[in-house]
Amino acid sequence: SAVISQKPSRDICQRGTSLTIQCQVDSQVTMMFWYRQQPGQSLTLIATANQGSEATYESGFVIDKFPISRPNLTFSTLTVSNMSPEDSSIYLCSVESQNTYGYTFGSGTRLTVV
Amino acid sequence: GQNIDQPTEMTATEGAIVQINCTYQTSGFNGLFWYQQHAGEAPTFLSYNVLDGLEEKGRFSSFLSRSKGYSYLLLKELQMKDSASYLCAVQRSNDYKLSFGAGTTVTVRA
Repeated sequence: SAVISQKPSRDICQRGTSLTIQCQVDSQVTMMFWYRQQPGQSLTLIATANQGSEATYESGFVIDKFPISRPNLTFSTLTVSNMSPEDSSIYLCSVESQNTYGYTFGSGTRLTVV
Repeated sequence: GQNIDQPTEMTATEGAIVQINCTYQTSGFNGLFWYQQHAGEAPTFLSYNVLDGLEEKGRFSSFLSRSKGYSYLLLKELQMKDSASYLCAVQRSNDYKLSFGAGTTVTVRA
């Protein structure tokens, strides 16, 4: 399955600032996803990063708050904009596995907003 | 929409068997995944069921009943390293994306 490198692994940010999270995959993949995992909770899909077009956002998530880039088939970024303490969470990218039915996840970015 | 329920916590003894149930109500269902997530780590794929029945993979087995909206993950011969959160995820039929349950934290005791 694909190997995903996600950066940064963790960060502490001031409220009102923005953080960009990078996701690099070692092979070309069609589908890339961004999830949020709030403390003690499960994963919630934020959006699907589409190569060559705008990301597709799930209900409750908007582009102004979570702009996404997908310049090619191996790379994507998620920006958490104008952060507040409620944005403190783990953010994970995910891709479809090429050889199985599963989805592979990056190791996550643990964000704390103070 | 999706409504996915699984128990919050379970505790079992090393060497024992534990069954984690997952019930779901969904407007469109394609298949069901189980993931394992150790604290501070990424979820890792365990199983995928699309047809009714039992899928066995070593110490782990997963069962699906589409008509009942029910699945379970069976962990046999429990080891300490099996202490983790187990996530049930439904794959939507319209776009194949995943909706996750809240996860079941399994603690294995000696």
